Amino acid sequence: DAGVTQSPTHLIKTRGQHVTLRCSPISGHKSVSWYQQVLGQGPQFIFQYYEKEERGRGNFPDRFSARQFPNYSSELNVNALLLGDSALYLCASSFDGQGTYEQYFGPGTRLTVT
Amino acid sequence: AQSVTQLGSHVSVSEGALVLLRCNYSSSVPPYLFWYVQYPNQGLQLLLKYTSAATLVKGINGFEAEFKKSETSFHLTKPSAHMSDAAEYFCAVSVAIYGNNRLAFGKGNQVVVIP
Repeated sequence: DAGVTQSPTHLIKTRGQHVTLRCSPISGHKSVSWYQQVLGQGPQFIFQYYEKEERGRGNFPDRFSARQFPNYSSELNVNALLLGDSALYLCASSFDGQGTYEQYFGPGTRLTVT
Repeated sequence: AQSVTQLGSHVSVSEGALVLLRCNYSSSVPPYLFWYVQYPNQGLQLLLKYTSAATLVKGINGFEAEFKKSETSFHLTKPSAHMSDAAEYFCAVSVAIYGNNRLAFGKGNQVVVIP
């Protein structure tokens, strides 16, 4: 079975631009979460979606937004990019977004903002 | 709020020696705890999880962790380190807020295995 897939794998953007990152969860999983991992740090929670509804939002500015589609895939959008947005963006899927179900992570998208 | 603390960002261990990575948690409710491993330029792979069943949890690649409520700890161990264990390890707690299971991660331990 395919795991969590993310695209693109790498991305270079300029300050002020916007970016869209994509994620496809494991088949049968209905919940998708997004995390930001800055170099040398643990991942930080950005969003969680379940059945196309936002279930949680971390401490990130409104420049960050996301959505989940009927097929449970998800997009993370970041507007007005800043240098500090350079990071590895990880997508994770879980069965139903509840605490007992582990999250499975994709390989990530490496975003570099210049 | 739930959180975890991992001390000592870099851990060096000799091949064949015990691997011990410490994780302490803070939670006002019974926690769900996880250990993930991250190899260079890859995502996170689940090593093991604790969800209030057995306190000694066995995971993949010979790793195990013991939940100790009295010490608020969930330390990760492996009896004999292999070169392939060189990676970054993260402890995480599931923060159950409003029906979601966001993970709060520690800062991680970079494990270096010395031949």
